[in-house]
Amino acid sequence: QSALTQPASVSGSPGQSITISCTGTSSDVGSYNLVSWYQQHPGKAPKLMIYEVSKRPSGVSNRFSGSKSGNTASLTISGLQAEDEADYYCCSYAGSVVFGGGTKLTVL
Amino acid sequence: QLQLQESGPGLVKPSETLSLTCTVSGGSISSSSYYWGWIRQPPGKGLEWIGSIYYSGSTYYNPSLKSRVTISVDTSKNQFSLKLSSVTAADTAVYYCARLAVTQPFDYWGQGTLVTVSS
Repeated sequence: QSALTQPASVSGSPGQSITISCTGTSSDVGSYNLVSWYQQHPGKAPKLMIYEVSKRPSGVSNRFSGSKSGNTASLTISGLQAEDEADYYCCSYAGSVVFGGGTKLTVL
Repeated sequence: QLQLQESGPGLVKPSETLSLTCTVSGGSISSSSYYWGWIRQPPGKGLEWIGSIYYSGSTYYNPSLKSRVTISVDTSKNQFSLKLSSVTAADTAVYYCARLAVTQPFDYWGQGTLVTVSS
């Protein structure tokens, strides 16, 4: 069970959009629409931002959106804000659970 | 509002067993809709799922840790627990407990507790 692959870092300016990719295999990301995304600020517990590939929990801004193509899922954040600067983790949770390695988002 | 709180020793000696408990308040651990899980995060590193348990006692473990992990549930106390045996420095991490549902996985988390493995 290998970790899902995410870029180590991404950056963008306020107001711009960024996309974070999450690549798995046909056994996890590719097989099920059970992909979630978490935001983690330093010293804090992760926060669920997206589940079932593209659904947002109540209270999460619609600036956050998710999608999937084949074995790769993606998180897009539009209208970047300073408060979006954080680490982001993808997760496949079909039976067994596997996280991505995490992506540090820097808002320039 | 559902709350989860981890508790246990912050320092464990190498080769010994790490033991943590997660106390759930504001909701029942016996709900048929949810699993309960443990996730850890070594300092400066990413998240690693350790395992999950259903209120009935059914468990699912990370294959890489399965030989050393035991997760149990005590519905009378609304708690679930983690035991990790034969620990080494590599097991030093912040340990989180969280609620897991197929619909909204890991939607509630504890604040996390740092466990250091050192003599």
